[in-house]
Amino acid sequence: NAGVMQNPRHLVRRRGQEARLRCSPMKGHSHVYWYRQLPEEGLKFMVYLQKENIIDESGMPKERFSAEFPKEGPSILRIQQVVRGDSAAYFCASSSGMNTEAFFGQGTRLTVV
Amino acid sequence: AQSVTQPDIHITVSEGASLELRCNYSYGATPYLFWYVQSPGQGLQLLLKYFSGDTLVQGIKGFEAEFKRSQSSFNLRKPSVHWSDAAEYFCAVGARVRSYGGSQGNLIFGKGTKLSVKP
Repeated sequence: NAGVMQNPRHLVRRRGQEARLRCSPMKGHSHVYWYRQLPEEGLKFMVYLQKENIIDESGMPKERFSAEFPKEGPSILRIQQVVRGDSAAYFCASSSGMNTEAFFGQGTRLTVV
Repeated sequence: AQSVTQPDIHITVSEGASLELRCNYSYGATPYLFWYVQSPGQGLQLLLKYFSGDTLVQGIKGFEAEFKRSQSSFNLRKPSVHWSDAAEYFCAVGARVRSYGGSQGNLIFGKGTKLSVKP
C-alpha cells in the first residue's frame, strides 16, 4: 500500500506562472489536507477536502489559491500568478475519516524565480 | 486562540544522552496533542499522540511524551538518543473548528525543534 504520493517533488516557476501541485491519497482515504511550510516555520494548515467537497478552507489565501479533490484522480492545489513569497514546501496529508490518523506525503518544494 | 510553542529552536545532545523537547500549548479545552518528526527533505511521521486517558504516552522509536494539564505542556522524551534521531521535531494540537469540531488532519503546529546528535 503506497503512502501519500505528491508530485512533482520539486517545481520551479517564474513569477506570474501557474503552479499545480498534485496529491494522491493513500488507498481507501477520502480526506485530504494541504499545508504550507515556509522556511524556518512550522506547517500551516491551508485546506481540508473530502471527495468533491471543501470542508474547511480557513487557511487558504483569499486570492490566487484554489484546491479541488475530484471524484476521480488526485487532489490539486493550484496557485495562479505565483510570486516569490509563494516559495515554500507544500505538504499533503490524507486520512480515511475525519477522526482517524492523517498520513503525510513527502511534499512539493516550490521555488518561484 | 489556539497555539503551540516550542521554545527551543535547536538542541544538540550527545549520542546516548537523554533528550527532552519542550512543547506548550494554548487551548480552551482538553486538546488532542501530537508529536511528529521530519527528516531533511522528507514528510512528517507521527511519533505519538494523546487524546485522553493515561497522561504518559508511548510512541515509536522509543519516544514518550507526558501531558501536563496544569503546565499546558506535552514534552517529548527519549532516555538514550541515537544518531539517527537527528531531525526536526514538531509538536501539534488538533484545531477546534466550530463548524465540524475538528479532525486529526487539521492541526496547529509549533515552529519545530531541530535536533543535532554529537557522536
